[in-house]
Amino acid sequence: NAGVTQTPKFRVLKTGQSMTLLCAQDMNHEYMYWYRQDPGMGLRLIHYSVGEGTTAKGEVPDGYNVSRLKKQNFLLGLESAAPSQTSVYFCASSYGAGAKTQYFGPGTRLLVL
Amino acid sequence: DAKTTQPPSMDCAEGRAANLPCNHSTISGNEYVYWYRQIHSQGPQYIIHGLKNNETNEMASLIITEDRKSSTLILPHATLRDTAVYYCIVRHYNTDKLIFGTGTRLQVFP
Repeated sequence: NAGVTQTPKFRVLKTGQSMTLLCAQDMNHEYMYWYRQDPGMGLRLIHYSVGEGTTAKGEVPDGYNVSRLKKQNFLLGLESAAPSQTSVYFCASSYGAGAKTQYFGPGTRLLVL
Repeated sequence: DAKTTQPPSMDCAEGRAANLPCNHSTISGNEYVYWYRQIHSQGPQYIIHGLKNNETNEMASLIITEDRKSSTLILPHATLRDTAVYYCIVRHYNTDKLIFGTGTRLQVFP
């Protein structure tokens, strides 16, 4: 099992450019999450999904969109990147409501110039 | 969600027990205490969780006070690989949302 994987590992964007971050899990988990982590801070929830075809907003959803077309994949999109979106993005997944733990991916470092 | 308070940093000698405190004075009866850690810049890793009883697993022990307003994570024999940021999180039983604070940076030294 690869667990939770994220693509790409690192990306540099110019302000206004768009991109999509891909998260994939092979554990048949129902729930998936996108977090961002700024320097010296804890993780903050951007969006999450409780199943294929469903998405919901987290703490800091502005400037991001997500899609969960397949159970194993959760995409995070930035339509018009801003320097404030420079961060490390982590994806996570879990079995579902009441699940003991979330499993995290290795992260994607994004720099917006 | 209840808020947690942790010291920003702690040191521990290798081989000694590391005791990481957490205050969660506003915790409610149906909220669990979770601990995760983040080694360097990797994704967070689940350690342990509990409701009101003390818990132990292969990684650590969790001691929750009787009034549930604070808890302590114990790493019984800290190693250099335990150097990480440790997050104490209070989570409602019917939600999967984790609210991360800034955690405690544990430095294990030789």
